[in-house]
Amino acid sequence: QQQVKQSPQSLIVQKGGISIINCAYENTAFDYFPWYQQFPGKGPALLIAIRPDVSEKKEGRFTISFNKSAKQFSLHIMDSQPGDSATYFCAARPASGTGGFKTIFGAGTRLFVKA
Amino acid sequence: DVKVTQSSRYLVKRTGEKVFLECVQDMDHENMFWYRQDPGLGLRLIYFSYDVKMKEKGDIPEGYSVSREKKERFSLILESASTNQTSMYLCASSLVGAQNSPLHFGNGTRLTVT
Repeated sequence: QQQVKQSPQSLIVQKGGISIINCAYENTAFDYFPWYQQFPGKGPALLIAIRPDVSEKKEGRFTISFNKSAKQFSLHIMDSQPGDSATYFCAARPASGTGGFKTIFGAGTRLFVKA
Repeated sequence: DVKVTQSSRYLVKRTGEKVFLECVQDMDHENMFWYRQDPGLGLRLIYFSYDVKMKEKGDIPEGYSVSREKKERFSLILESASTNQTSMYLCASSLVGAQNSPLHFGNGTRLTVT
């Protein structure tokens, strides 16, 4: 049962364009929403994360937008570069108890940035 | 930098074999995790451990067991490998008590069961 739904599955963007990946969740107990970036042959690595008490977080060219009422969050990559070509996973984690250990991942988005 | 090392990059095993996947982290993290990654399904949690000798089932524990005898080492065991366990296996670690503690992943073990 997919508790975090991610779209699109794949994305092709021109160099310099904006890449947008969307995620929706169901469990209102989630309180930490990280995005992970994975290059071929490597494990996922934390890219940026947000908590639900803020609506936006920006780190360089990467921005998370968070809509708590709609239970949606998205990753925007501004001025996309070929080096951004990777698989991106959104994720969500409950606040407490053993659930606090259970990060739930979206299905992933394969981004390709054309030079 | 946290380093999570998985002992094998690729493994090919036969149906019915007992398979051990090893993972070591060097940052004294309390929490360790095993995920499997499949196309279109993302990462799914198999087991996790928050302390030595402690283990908890994740979302897909069937057919797997784990062992954590030392803080830095977390092993995933396939008691009798089956073809539907062909997958990429990712080990991760994190700090306990840090509210926004991210997962630190190894580079994965691609297991093929024939």
